Amino acid sequence: NAGVTQTPKFQVLKTGQSMTLQCAQDMNHEYMSWYRQDPGMGLRLIHYSVGAGITDQGEVPNGYNVSRSTTEDFPLRLLSAAPSQTSVYFCASSYSSGFNQPQHFGDGTRLSIL
Amino acid sequence: AQTVTQSQPEMSVQEAETVTLSCTYDTSESDYYLFWYKQPPSRQMILVIRQEAYKQQNATENRFSVNFQKAAKSFSLKISDSQLGDAAMYFCAYSTGANNLFFGTGTRLTVIP
Repeated sequence: NAGVTQTPKFQVLKTGQSMTLQCAQDMNHEYMSWYRQDPGMGLRLIHYSVGAGITDQGEVPNGYNVSRSTTEDFPLRLLSAAPSQTSVYFCASSYSSGFNQPQHFGDGTRLSIL
Repeated sequence: AQTVTQSQPEMSVQEAETVTLSCTYDTSESDYYLFWYKQPPSRQMILVIRQEAYKQQNATENRFSVNFQKAAKSFSLKISDSQLGDAAMYFCAYSTGANNLFFGTGTRLTVIP
């Protein structure tokens, strides 16, 4: 199994450009989420989904959009990139939204906004 | 609001020795899970160990064990017989509700040969 796959691994954008970070999992997990990791800080939750067609905001949702049309995919969209969105982005999934479920993380996407 | 505090930005340990990483958290929930994740330079997030708040017994996974003090809201990680491969950032995290994780700011562990 591939687990959680994130693409791309690295990306450089200019301010104002749009971009979609891809996340796919092949474990038939119901729960998926996006986190960002900034220097000196832990991961912070951006958006999450407890199943296809259901999404909700996390701690830092501003400037990001998500959708969940299939169980496997959970893309993260930056509509108009800003330098403050320079970060490492992680996608994660778990079997269900029960808080005892261990989460599987992708390898991350390093995004730089110039 | 849930908060997780790791007060040790950096720690070091001699190879084969034991080290303890500290974590405190704040929550009003009665049931939740606590986790320790390891992030090596490869950037992967690797689950090390987890503990359910309702369980009195401290979790153990091989060389890794926790000291869970629910009343004090403390969740420390003990690494025994430290190995060079243990060098990494370690994050304490808390989950409740819809399995959303709240992370501390991390502790960078250096293992000295």
